[in-house]
Amino acid sequence: EDKVVQSPLSLVVHEGDTVTLNCSYEVTNFRSLLWYKQEKKAPTFLFMLTSSGIEKKSGRLSSILDKKELFSILNITATQTGDSAVYLCAGRGSNYKLTFGKGTLLTVNP
Amino acid sequence: GAVVSQHPSRVICKSGTSVKIECRSLDFQATTMFWYRQFPKQSLMLMATSNEGSKATYEQGVEKDKFLINHASLTLSTLTVTSAHPEDSSFYICSALVNTEAFFGQGTRLTVV
Repeated sequence: EDKVVQSPLSLVVHEGDTVTLNCSYEVTNFRSLLWYKQEKKAPTFLFMLTSSGIEKKSGRLSSILDKKELFSILNITATQTGDSAVYLCAGRGSNYKLTFGKGTLLTVNP
Repeated sequence: GAVVSQHPSRVICKSGTSVKIECRSLDFQATTMFWYRQFPKQSLMLMATSNEGSKATYEQGVEKDKFLINHASLTLSTLTVTSAHPEDSSFYICSALVNTEAFFGQGTRLTVV
């Protein structure tokens, strides 16, 4: 059975801090690793990673995948209160099905 | 990006009744849609894969007779929760596959009283 484990489950920081969110996966016929941000409703797409070692960046967010260690991290620099959300990691195997981790609840305090 | 519209966003129903949730792809055709369920403070759990014109594929432990999925057209998939019980109260989200990327609907908060 496919499995995705995220850590930490929750994190509280102050504005301006840098955070690193972790995601490990065991996905049969692995295709890609995806990161989503979920506020009060449906998740919004952040990154899709398919190749090891290539960092993807979007503003203050960046992510990288290690296919040898079956691991990915999501970094957020200079955090803002608007970054407060649940960050979900999902592994995609064959048939494009996504297996989600439990998420990391990030709280950024002013 | 592609837009997936899910309706209703919130529904309250009585125990024993059925509820239909619609998931529409607004500006593209989706041959494959996925239905997820999310309980409070839990992650999204895949319930079933819906393919246009064929029967849905259900994940282990999901009752196909209780969660009826119909994907009659390339732009619409529906999930009907039949004979709903309070334990079915959850957040249901659909997603549509566009090339290799998944786009999510806004989700439906179902409360069964």
